[in-house]
Amino acid sequence: AQKITQTQPGMFVQEKEAVTLDCTYDTSDPSYGLFWYKQPSSGEMIFLIYQGSYDQQNATEGRYSLNFQKARKSANLVISASQLGDSAMYFCAFRSGAGSYQLTFGKGTKLSVIP
Amino acid sequence: EAGVAQSPRYKIIEKRQSVAFWCNPISGHATLYWYQQILGQGPKLLIQFQNNGVVDDSQLPKDRFSAERLKGVDSTLKIQPAKLEDSAVYLCASSFRTSGRYEQFFGPGTRLTVL
Repeated sequence: AQKITQTQPGMFVQEKEAVTLDCTYDTSDPSYGLFWYKQPSSGEMIFLIYQGSYDQQNATEGRYSLNFQKARKSANLVISASQLGDSAMYFCAFRSGAGSYQLTFGKGTKLSVIP
Repeated sequence: EAGVAQSPRYKIIEKRQSVAFWCNPISGHATLYWYQQILGQGPKLLIQFQNNGVVDDSQLPKDRFSAERLKGVDSTLKIQPAKLEDSAVYLCASSFRTSGRYEQFFGPGTRLTVL
């Protein structure tokens, strides 16, 4: 079974600064996808960014970018110019490129943005 | 475009009682997922439907949990009888496709408390 690890239970960042949230995964599949979701205190999971294992470039979506290092099996989320509204739980998720394509989530990182 | 709808938002029951949750996915999304999210953890997949057929229910405690997706649209998840450890947020998600960069869209969740 795939394993996904988020080693930072909590992170603090100053408003307008950049922050990196770590995510590592363990798989022998050649084809897979990595997702990042944001979960505010309201509880809804919000999709942020996707990286495919065969993508040549790191994914970017506005202030979000993914630092994908395939050989190290890491897919870190970088948030630039942090805003107070970025305070939330952030989950990394792995999806195999075969089978049922189910998502396996990490335990999450709680990000707090300080004014 | 309307998002994934879930009801109720909150439910409090006593152990050994039964409870049911309802989910209406985004129109046109063939795949529907039910997740259980225990406090402090990432969501865990319980069951995945493709149209009205089950794709993956390997992590569904079938002695007490059941789910159906009649007519391939909305879905119901039932717990009977509930245990204390079932206290969690139950998230429903849907996606247009399961593979590639098609993300899952999540509903607001149902917070279940079992006393």
